[in-house]
Amino acid sequence: ILNVEQSPQSLHVQEGDSTNFTCSFPSSNFYALHWYRWETAKSPEALFVMTLNGDEKKKGRISATLNTKEGYSYLYIKGSQPEDSATYLCAFISSGSARQLTFGSGTQLTVLP
Amino acid sequence: DTGVSQNPRHKITKRGQNVTFRCDPISEHNRLYWYRQTLGQGPEFLTYFQNEAQLEKSRLLSDRFSAERPKGSFSTLEIQRTEQGDSAMYLCASSRQGAEAFFGQGTRLTVV
Repeated sequence: ILNVEQSPQSLHVQEGDSTNFTCSFPSSNFYALHWYRWETAKSPEALFVMTLNGDEKKKGRISATLNTKEGYSYLYIKGSQPEDSATYLCAFISSGSARQLTFGSGTQLTVLP
Repeated sequence: DTGVSQNPRHKITKRGQNVTFRCDPISEHNRLYWYRQTLGQGPEFLTYFQNEAQLEKSRLLSDRFSAERPKGSFSTLEIQRTEQGDSAMYLCASSRQGAEAFFGQGTRLTVV
């Protein structure tokens, strides 16, 4: 069983604050790392697909970095807004033949107005 | 294509009954995943298909669970002799090889 861990488990921030959270994954047999955003009553939606060590991706106020050698990825949100409130999931794909997605348990972000 | 579709959205069943859920993936996606999500947890892998072949099945899945994907199109997940511990959100996702997964809205199962 692949170990994908996310921290913190939950986070409350004030509107306007910037925040970040971590996804840790096995540093061997890396294929890809995905970030998903899961809002209440909706399906998870992909934010980023990251494949190369040192990748940095950005979408609006949200960005992510990837370190495959040490097995971690950071997700950053600049100037958090209430609509950013959601659970943020990372998913690791190993380079084994199955190439299944293994999810972390998520970071639940609440942005207070 | 309207995305990944799951039916039913909600299912309430009595303990001991069998239930079957259906997932219609995005048509050009050859990979299909089933996950289970319980309160406070991320999606937990159940099983995975590439086309019609079931490539992997979680060790967490008991023999009461079975999944099929005939002809590599839609998939069904059946739970036999349901138990209260089976109550969860069952999520289906599909993807192209190496690309991000697209999720359905899920089927919420309640076993009473």
